[in-house]
Amino acid sequence: EDQVTQSPEALRLQEGESSSLNCSYTVSGLRGLFWYRQDPGKGPEFLFTLYSAGEEKEKERLKATLTKKESFLHITAPKPEDSATYLCAVQFSGGSNYKLTFGKGTLLTVNP
Amino acid sequence: NAGVTQTPKFQVLKTGQSMTLQCAQDMNHNSMYWYRQDPGMGLRLIYYSASEGTTDKGEVPNGYNVSRLNKREFSLRLESAAPSQTSVYFCASSVVGNQPQHFGDGTRLSIL
Repeated sequence: EDQVTQSPEALRLQEGESSSLNCSYTVSGLRGLFWYRQDPGKGPEFLFTLYSAGEEKEKERLKATLTKKESFLHITAPKPEDSATYLCAVQFSGGSNYKLTFGKGTLLTVNP
Repeated sequence: NAGVTQTPKFQVLKTGQSMTLQCAQDMNHNSMYWYRQDPGMGLRLIYYSASEGTTDKGEVPNGYNVSRLNKREFSLRLESAAPSQTSVYFCASSVVGNQPQHFGDGTRLSIL
């Protein structure tokens, strides 16, 4: 069964303290990997899509990278407003174009 | 630009009652989805509609029905609500299947 695992479950940083979140998946072929941000009481907000190993995407303080078995979301010099739950979702090749498998998320807290 | 709009935002039902959750998108997307999100679990796909006129089961379809009313609207119906269906329900849409999904802010449903 295709699975997506995110680590750590929770991460607490000081403002300006850079770190990385991990998303690993059992490999049955990757069609695409998606990162989302979710604030309390809100729906997931799309951040990035990665389609092939070696690909990187950046947006402000966030940078997503992809290897054959995992993706990292690097957060550089985070600010309190970066506090949120970050979700990773994978679309596996061999499955439906319409089905995403989500990880359970990493709860990021950035203290001022 | 509203994006994906879900109604209602909150609802409390008694066991055995029926209810329809409404979703509309104004992005001219072809595909629409219904998910549920429970504590400690990732988002799980209930049903999806690849295009107007089609619907398919996702990971957890039992106890639910859907209707793709037109290109904009996709509804989720609980015919006889059960406490196990207490959850936060999210609707999402995408241009096509392998493109990013954009989410609404959810319906928080409690079944007593």
